[in-house]
Parts: sequence; C-alpha cells; structure tokens
Amino acid sequence: EAQVTQNPRYLITVTGKKLTVTCSQNMNHEYMSWYRQDPGLGLRQIYYSMNVEVTDKGDVPEGYKVSRKEKRNFPLILESPSPNQTSLYFCASSLKSGTYEQYFGPGTRLTVT
Amino acid sequence: TQLLEQSPQFLSIQEGENLTVYCNSSSVFSSLQWYRQEPGEGPVLLVTVVTGGEVKKLKRLTFQFGDARKDSSLHITAAQPGDTGLYLCAGGDTNAGKSTFGDGTTLTVKP
Repeated sequence: EAQVTQNPRYLITVTGKKLTVTCSQNMNHEYMSWYRQDPGLGLRQIYYSMNVEVTDKGDVPEGYKVSRKEKRNFPLILESPSPNQTSLYFCASSLKSGTYEQYFGPGTRLTVT
Repeated sequence: TQLLEQSPQFLSIQEGENLTVYCNSSSVFSSLQWYRQEPGEGPVLLVTVVTGGEVKKLKRLTFQFGDARKDSSLHITAAQPGDTGLYLCAGGDTNAGKSTFGDGTTLTVKP
C-alpha cells in the first residue's frame, strides 16, 4: 500500500531535549516536505526536499533541521525544542514538487512543556 | 512570502444547502490545489487547477481557478454530512519546492 508513515504519532517532551520525528514514503517520490498545523493558521511549510541531499527552507524553518540521505526518508529534528514548537506536524511527499499531488502522513502531535 | 486567504473561516449549514468557499491571494500561482482534511488525519487532495479560468467538477463539488490565477473557489451543491471537514487551498509554482497553504475553512453540515 502506497503511504507516508510518521513516528511517533504522539510525543510529550520537555524544553531542550533533542528529538527526531521520522518520515518515510514507499512511493519513490522525489519531493518531501514537513508542515506544522496550528489552529487558525492552516499548514505552514517548515522544510522541503526536492531530491536526495537537496533541502531548502520553507516559511517557518527556525528551530528545525532536516536531512535527506535516502530518497524514502526525511526526518525532522528539533535540537532544542521550545513550547512554541508545540503543534501538529505533517510529513508529505509528491512525485516531483509541491505543485503535484502531495500525499500526507497521519501526523505527529508534539507537546513541549 | 506568498499568502493565501480563505473565507469564510467557519461555515455551519444544514444538509441540502449550497455553499461557496473562497481562496484569494495577491500573488500569481502556476497551479492551485484543494485538499480536504478530516480530524486526526492528513489532508487528501480533491483537485488541482492549472489554467486561468479553468472549471473542474467532482460530483457535487465545482472548483474554479480565477482568470488571473490569483484566486479560486470551491462550490458544493446540496451539501451532505459527509462533506464535513477542513478544506484547504494550496498554491505553488511549477517544479518549485515552496508550497503555500491557506488557513482553511471548517465546514460543518448538519443532518
């Protein structure tokens, strides 16, 4: 089954404790992206990757890191999480770019206390 | 930064009514997409429009892309409770990585 998987689905952590949210897709897509969703703000793009070893900032990259060492994986790293990063995070992939249909993962709900 | 504004933000209607959701921007997009998101899940694509003035129909849903490719609308005819959800528009440029989403319209259709 074609899908985007994220882990963990739920995470409660404390300020400053490094964490990684994994994202994997099995559709051989070139493009992957991370978004955060907050009430009333829709989806805001954090980082995206057009292909392996190619990443770029979205609209809200501060406090986040990403890497794309393999085509299927695109982890999101929070080196020193802060409470304002409490949010619902979605990973997405598409064939070529953001203008193609994006397939979203199930989301990761992160709470930073 | 390109912005997409959706209106209304919330919409609560009775089953059988018609409705229109708007997505507006001051920027030109090469394509615009509409997604629907249900609670606890990621957004799912409904349609992509790429040509100014384009109209696409998906059963009771009609999507229109503005002539200048700066705005779009989603019209639902005879809404049903199953249409309840968050509707998001998203715009981007061809082969570009940046993807801009609107802030969403939460639709509730009451039986």
